[in-house]
Amino acid sequence: KNQVEQSPQSLIILEGKNCTLQCNYTVSPFSNLRWYKQDTGRGPVSLTIMTFSENTKSNGRYTATLDADTKQSSLHITASQLSDSASYICVVVQTGANNLFFGTGTRLTVIP
Amino acid sequence: GAGVSQSPSNKVTEKGKDVELRCDPISGHTALYWYRQSLGQGLEFLIYFQGNSAPDKSGLPSDRFSAERTGGSVSTLTIQRTQQEDSAVYLCASSYRSTSGTKETQYFGPGTRLLVL
Repeated sequence: KNQVEQSPQSLIILEGKNCTLQCNYTVSPFSNLRWYKQDTGRGPVSLTIMTFSENTKSNGRYTATLDADTKQSSLHITASQLSDSASYICVVVQTGANNLFFGTGTRLTVIP
Repeated sequence: GAGVSQSPSNKVTEKGKDVELRCDPISGHTALYWYRQSLGQGLEFLIYFQGNSAPDKSGLPSDRFSAERTGGSVSTLTIQRTQQEDSAVYLCASSYRSTSGTKETQYFGPGTRLLVL
């Protein structure tokens, strides 16, 4: 069964600290993996897209990693800011038809 | 340039009524997607358009749901005889989908918050 699981479900960290969010998937065949940031009441915004051959991709303070062998990805946020408070959604795209599998997200809260 | 827009932003309706949700994709984007996000749940894929055709309707939850896209641009999602479980945020996204379609970025609209009483 094609699934995407994210952990933790929620996370609270102090401003300035780093954190890492996890995504494990069983989607096959694999095309690419995406991380999105969704602010409350807004649509998701793309952070990174990685294909099979890419094992790391950065976007400012966000760094995503991908291990296609173990089917795991992580999103590392460096020097967190209050504006990083949002839900972070991992999406895995299946090769071929337009099949996108969404995780339920990690709710990150950054406190001063 | 303008992003993806959706209307209305909020909709409250009575159970049994029909509702129509609208999505204006980014100009030039060939692919358009509808998703549903229920409270505390992940995004649920509903339907995908490439141009005006919908090669994948697998996510539509029931025959009360239908969608169309005209002129390769605006799309409407119609829910007939709404039920309380239809209450959710309905998100639209668009992308420029190449023939390989492997890595296009989806741009999401702000969503329509539907509440069925």
